[in-house]
Amino acid sequence: DSGVTQTPKHLITATGQRVTLRCSPRSGDLSVYWYQQSLDQGLQFLIQYYNGEERAKGNILERFSAQQFPDLHSELNLSSLELGDSALYFCASSVESVNPYEQYFGPGTRLTVT
Amino acid sequence: GQQVMQIPQYQHVQEGEDFTTYCNSSTTLSNIQWYKQRPGGHPVFLIQLVKSGEVKKQKRLTFQFGEAKKNSSLHITATQTTDVGTYFCAGLRGKLSFGAGTTVTVRA
Repeated sequence: DSGVTQTPKHLITATGQRVTLRCSPRSGDLSVYWYQQSLDQGLQFLIQYYNGEERAKGNILERFSAQQFPDLHSELNLSSLELGDSALYFCASSVESVNPYEQYFGPGTRLTVT
Repeated sequence: GQQVMQIPQYQHVQEGEDFTTYCNSSTTLSNIQWYKQRPGGHPVFLIQLVKSGEVKKQKRLTFQFGEAKKNSSLHITATQTTDVGTYFCAGLRGKLSFGAGTTVTVRA
């Protein structure tokens, strides 16, 4: 158990819909990272937040957005869903911001878009 | 932009044999991290290398950071069934970029 929690574990929805994935970082970790993992794309970095502020952006689509709340939990919002958005979405947390040491990954949310 | 390439993509190993997976970056890295993801699981941090030419060992795993800080390798000796999974390297230069991973299967 990494100490990072993600909900829900599984999500099945239809194309065009919007979903919200939730992540609670390890106690004391200020940085939250979101990743998308699909079979043909590997582990793709989406976005990073540090203490409530966006710190780095990766390959995140405009249809996707995220935020980190004062209690440090984070949400990833995916809208106008397409079949290709089906993937495993991981959240990770770390203490550092500029020089992340080890990242602790949550168990992931498996999103299926039908 | 920064790219981290891993080879091979797949590694089929006979139990007891050794193998090496390689990670190459197009740019100089601040540091490199290695993660392992078991089938159905999430990535788990293994190690971080920071210094040029650094070598670190964890039991049967040996990690190396190249002199130019552009490449890294993971060598596993006497492979066991518990080594099954996907090994990712992640290079840091401003932000962390993950390689595509090397998926390891073991023949008993």
